[in-house]
Amino acid sequence: EIVLTQSPGTLSLSPGERATLSCRASQSVSSSYLAWYQQMPGQPPRLLIYGASSRATGIPDRFSGSGSETDFTLTISRLEPEDFAVYYCQVYGSSVFTFGPGTKVEIK
Amino acid sequence: QVQLVQSGAEVKKPGASVKVSCKASGYTFTNYYIHWVRQAPGQGLESMAIINPSDGSTSYTQRFQGRVSLTRDTSTSTVYMELSSLTSGDTAVYFCARDHTNWGSIDYWGQGTLVTISS
Repeated sequence: EIVLTQSPGTLSLSPGERATLSCRASQSVSSSYLAWYQQMPGQPPRLLIYGASSRATGIPDRFSGSGSETDFTLTISRLEPEDFAVYYCQVYGSSVFTFGPGTKVEIK
Repeated sequence: QVQLVQSGAEVKKPGASVKVSCKASGYTFTNYYIHWVRQAPGQGLESMAIINPSDGSTSYTQRFQGRVSLTRDTSTSTVYMELSSLTSGDTAVYFCARDHTNWGSIDYWGQGTLVTISS
């Protein structure tokens, strides 16, 4: 089973700053099956990125995804107030959907 | 627009079962798999199971095998998730969500159903 590790656990930044979130897989995964989600308190997750680098419908272009094999990155180029949330990566492999533990992006 | 509307919050006793519904609208129900994902208070997301509404075939995550059951009713575009032998560790928000076909991800989510296990 694939295990995902996300770092850092918490990222403290100010609006306007750049956020770089990491997701590492315990084994090589297909980039086609790597996704990122944003979750606000009390809300369901929202799909941001699929296929490692494709933005989902309606997602602003300040969000971008990159990476391959075991190392993937979500970048938020300039943080807006509504971007402070928890971010999860997720992978599909061997008929199993696995989520990472999440990175909380908080206001510094 | 795509919508997944779940049934309301539940309170159950240990050892009981709970059945949560998820009604889909805004798309062809039988064309997209439906996932169930849960989130314990203050914790991360955990995939539980998936169903193909077209033929009713299911796949269950190993740790829930034997305790979870997914069914669907195509006449009402509704998926049901039943979880049995409940313990306090099953207290969580349960989400249904639509599979993002061919991309191994999830594109639409229900609002979530809080299931509380308490004696």
